[in-house]
Amino acid sequence: AQSVAQPEDQVNVAEGNPLTVKCTYSVSGNPYLFWYVQYPNRGLQFLLKYITGDNLVKGSYGFEAEFNKSQTSFHLKKPSALVSDSALYFCAVREAGSQGNLIFGKGTKLSVKP
Amino acid sequence: KAGVTQTPRYLIKTRGQQVTLSCSPISGHRSVSWYQQTPGQGLQFLFEYFSETQRNKGNFPGRFSGRQFSNSRSEMNVSTLELGDSALYLCASTLRLGDNYGYTFGSGTRLTVV
Repeated sequence: AQSVAQPEDQVNVAEGNPLTVKCTYSVSGNPYLFWYVQYPNRGLQFLLKYITGDNLVKGSYGFEAEFNKSQTSFHLKKPSALVSDSALYFCAVREAGSQGNLIFGKGTKLSVKP
Repeated sequence: KAGVTQTPRYLIKTRGQQVTLSCSPISGHRSVSWYQQTPGQGLQFLFEYFSETQRNKGNFPGRFSGRQFSNSRSEMNVSTLELGDSALYLCASTLRLGDNYGYTFGSGTRLTVV
């Protein structure tokens, strides 16, 4: 069965510091991996995805994520956090070639303090 | 192009009533998925429709149902509402089942059951 784990409910970072939001996944075959961000009372917004190719994926708003197949991880990173990055972040996975739905992690709340 | 449109944005219903939520996908998108989001359970998959047929279904009781029309617009219905049905209901669309584009989400319908 496919699954996603986001081990941290909340991540606190000072503005200007690097941030990392962790995600690990489990699928039978190769994964399609996604990161979404959600601001209060809004839907989820797409940040970036890994389908194939380069393990380092760059996305919106300066975010990037590194796919690590051996560790089955897809951590979200940003070199310098902004207060406006404070939001809820979701990792999602689907097995490549599958017609199943996207499986989401429980979300990680990112809080960036000035 | 217009995004995913969900109506209404907010609803207040009484226990025992039923409710219908609407979702209009991005033009050209033929797959529509529904998720329930609550603080305790995170994002839980309800169902996914493609070409007017339910293709995937989550683990929800039969009180939760949906349909998709020929223009890809989708509705979900919840009958005999319970207090625990209070949640943000999110609709997402994508081009087709299992594609690697990821989902585009609407802003959601906030349902409150009193």
